[in-house]
Amino acid sequence: GESVGLHLPTLSVQEGDNSIINCAYSNSASDYFIWYKQESGKGPQFIIDIRSNMDKRQGQRVTVLLNKTVKHLSLQIAATQPGDSAVYFCAENMTGRRALTFGSGTRLQVQP
Amino acid sequence: ETGVTQTPRHLVMGMTNKKSLKCEQHLGHNAMYWYKQSAKKPLELMFVYNFKEQTENNSVPSRFSPECPNSSHLFLHLHTLQPEDSALYLCASSQDGGPGTDTQYFGPGTRLTVL
Repeated sequence: GESVGLHLPTLSVQEGDNSIINCAYSNSASDYFIWYKQESGKGPQFIIDIRSNMDKRQGQRVTVLLNKTVKHLSLQIAATQPGDSAVYFCAENMTGRRALTFGSGTRLQVQP
Repeated sequence: ETGVTQTPRHLVMGMTNKKSLKCEQHLGHNAMYWYKQSAKKPLELMFVYNFKEQTENNSVPSRFSPECPNSSHLFLHLHTLQPEDSALYLCASSQDGGPGTDTQYFGPGTRLTVL
């Protein structure tokens, strides 16, 4: 599968618990950030985004936090469900560029 | 479904073959992208097209040749590939409200194996 040769950090949680997935970005010129979810055999699916003029944004069961001081992004999933099991990627977009730069991803495993 | 389709979903080819990957978006977007996702690297941008014009080529070898006949269709022509080109090739599209404002929506990918 995709993870062979690329060691993905894994977060294992119990169903119903809250999950927090972290991402560090390196470019202080990045001003737009996205979290994607990728299930096996599928392309990345948009979850939530945030712009650099915000530090928190909430969606349905998900919250993204942005700390520009330490260049850190996190995704919080409330009441994690088995269907949340996937690889989660953060992506950043630098000012003036159209393309996204992706992190290497975190695998979330939800135990029933 | 995201509104971005890719065909074929799986492709096995020899190093001397010529094949093409197809992407179609039904979202009315103006920007389209090719990404490569391999087992050993994070998702890598290959090409960006905006209003049918190529705006970014991320140092991709010439054995990969993109084509964008209109804003809804994107092709990736493959010839004389190497086994290390085996990967999942993902297409994405975005509205193009300008750099730094676009959410990209991905297709399911084509799983390519080069023998």
